[in-house]
Amino acid sequence: SQTIHQWPATLVQPVGSPLSLECTVEGTSNPNLYWYRQAAGRGLQLLFYSVGIGQISSEVPQNLSASRPQDRQFILSSKKLLLSDSGFYLCAWSRAGARQPQHFGDGTRLSIL
Amino acid sequence: KQEVTQIPAALSVPEGENLVLNCSFTDSAIYNLQWFRQDPGKGLTSLLLIQSSQREQTSGRLNASLDKSSGRSTLYIAASQPGDSATYLCAVRPLNTGNQFYFGTGTSLTVIP
Repeated sequence: SQTIHQWPATLVQPVGSPLSLECTVEGTSNPNLYWYRQAAGRGLQLLFYSVGIGQISSEVPQNLSASRPQDRQFILSSKKLLLSDSGFYLCAWSRAGARQPQHFGDGTRLSIL
Repeated sequence: KQEVTQIPAALSVPEGENLVLNCSFTDSAIYNLQWFRQDPGKGLTSLLLIQSSQREQTSGRLNASLDKSSGRSTLYIAASQPGDSATYLCAVRPLNTGNQFYFGTGTSLTVIP
């Protein structure tokens, strides 16, 4: 069976510090990978998605970047965090193909001080 | 742009009651619609996926229906239990943006023992 791991579960960072969140998927190959942010009381916002190694699409301009160095590894990064980067970050995967469901990790709660 | 709405935002019912959660979307040109459950501080758990050609899907006490032409989906929960308490989200995958899922803001369900 397939599993998705996301870490850390919680993170408290000062403004201006760098960020690296990691997501890995097991039990499948060549998945589509996604990073979402969920703000309090708001729906999920898609930040980045990737259909293959080194292929990243950004949905919104922002202070964050994403990379996919390996087939089942997806990393969300920032060089300098802003207060507005606080939120709940979720990684998801799906099999290639538009009719496939998405499956989510447990999320990372990021607080910026 | 696709907009997804879930009404009500919150719902409280006594244990054992059958209930219906609603999801509406503005553009009927979709591949599919997926229902999720989210427990506080956790990631999303996939419940049901309905393809655009399907009318309903069932899993245990859950039944999801899709009326694509009217832009509506319902999630029916039979014989509700306190363990069903969570936030329920729906998401649609439009035809014209295959890698983008649009989420509603969810319905927070509380089942009272």
